[in-house]
Formats: sequence, structure tokens, C-alpha cells
Amino acid sequence: ELVLPQSPGTLSLYPGERATLSCRVSQTTNSRHLAWYQQKPGQAPRLLIYGTSYRATGIPDRFSGSGSGTDFSLTISRLEPEDFAVYYCQQYGSSPRYTFGQGTKLEIK
Amino acid sequence: QVQLQESGPGLVKPSGTLSLTCTVSGDSITSDNWWSWIRQAPGEGLEWIGEMYHRGSTNYNPSLESRVTFSIDRSTNQFSLKLNSVTAADTAIYYCAATGGYSYSYYYWGQGTLVTVSS
Repeated sequence: ELVLPQSPGTLSLYPGERATLSCRVSQTTNSRHLAWYQQKPGQAPRLLIYGTSYRATGIPDRFSGSGSGTDFSLTISRLEPEDFAVYYCQQYGSSPRYTFGQGTKLEIK
Repeated sequence: QVQLQESGPGLVKPSGTLSLTCTVSGDSITSDNWWSWIRQAPGEGLEWIGEMYHRGSTNYNPSLESRVTFSIDRSTNQFSLKLNSVTAADTAIYYCAATGGYSYSYYYWGQGTLVTVSS
């Protein structure tokens, strides 16, 4: 099973702090093909960012995405209590069409 | 607002066939969407199973392709997954999902259904 490496595996921060999560893909990818999701326990993933940097409908502007080539990141500018969750990156490619990252757990310090 | 709802047996015997259905509401199964299945083993990450278009095109994860079959029922606005020769490694929460207007990513998700493979 192909899994995109994400770092760190776990990130411990206080509410109000800034979080930066990273995702690396194996080959240069079109910026339109990189997305980020948030998943809370017992819930389905929620699309946060698509096309590397575009927020999905209803996503607060404290969430932002950036990157190009093989290195991408998700930044949460000022953590709210509801932001503590697991975050996955996802790449659209050739085979398989979609590949997800291993996940970063963002926990309250 | 598109809503997706998975349904099917929660327990399947080893070597048997896992069958799940996703009911789509708020949109037509013949709309410009790729309808997909994604799974998540307990405590693990997300694994893409495959996608289908209402005109019959399908794309499967090569790791599962030999065991997976997708189908669409336009009369009931549903799409389905069959996974045969299951083992305990196929125990997971199975989600149906759709891209919506967000190309190359999934905006719409079902709530997920846990399928356990056990005798």
C-alpha cells in the first residue's frame, strides 16, 4: 500500500499557537492534485484544502495550504480547541488515482 | 446538499464477499461526479479502493483490483462495492465519497460503516 509520508507523526501544541504540518510526495505533482483533510474521532474526513491552497466551502481562514513540486504544507495560524484532530494529505496521481498520507495527529499540549 | 449513506452487513465470514451500497441523495447518480469507496482499518489511515463514473468507467487501486467490483443503479440512485475473498485484513470502516465540484479531492463523504471479517 502506497502511503505519503507526513511529518511530524504527532504534534503537541497549545491553543492559540501556530501549527505547520508537512506532506511529501515521491514525484513532482501538479499543484491542483494535492488536498488536505481533517478527521475527528468517530467522524468521516472533512475536506479542508484542495488544489494545494484553496479552502473548501465553510473552512475558516486560519487554515491555509502551500507548496509545490514534492513538498506541501498545511498551516493553522492560531489553534482553536476544535482543531485538535488527525490531518491527512492526499495526492491525485496515476496509479492508484488517489493516495493518502499516513496522517499527523495534532494534540493539545 | 449531497448526502451519502452506506449500508450493508457489518459482519462477513473469511473467504466470503463483502457487499456495500451507498445511497445518494441531493444529487443524481448520473451527475458529473466520480463515485468512490475509501476504507480505514481500525486505528489506521485512509486507503482508496476505487472510483466509478455513471457511464461505466472505473478505476481501482491496483492492490485490490483483482477482488473488487463496482456497480451503479440509476433507478435507485445508488452505487455499490463488492470485495471478494475477504480476510481479517479487510476489516475496516468503509466510506463512500464523491468529489462534488472539487476536482481531485473528496468533498462529500458518507458517515462510514464498520465491516468486520470474522468467523
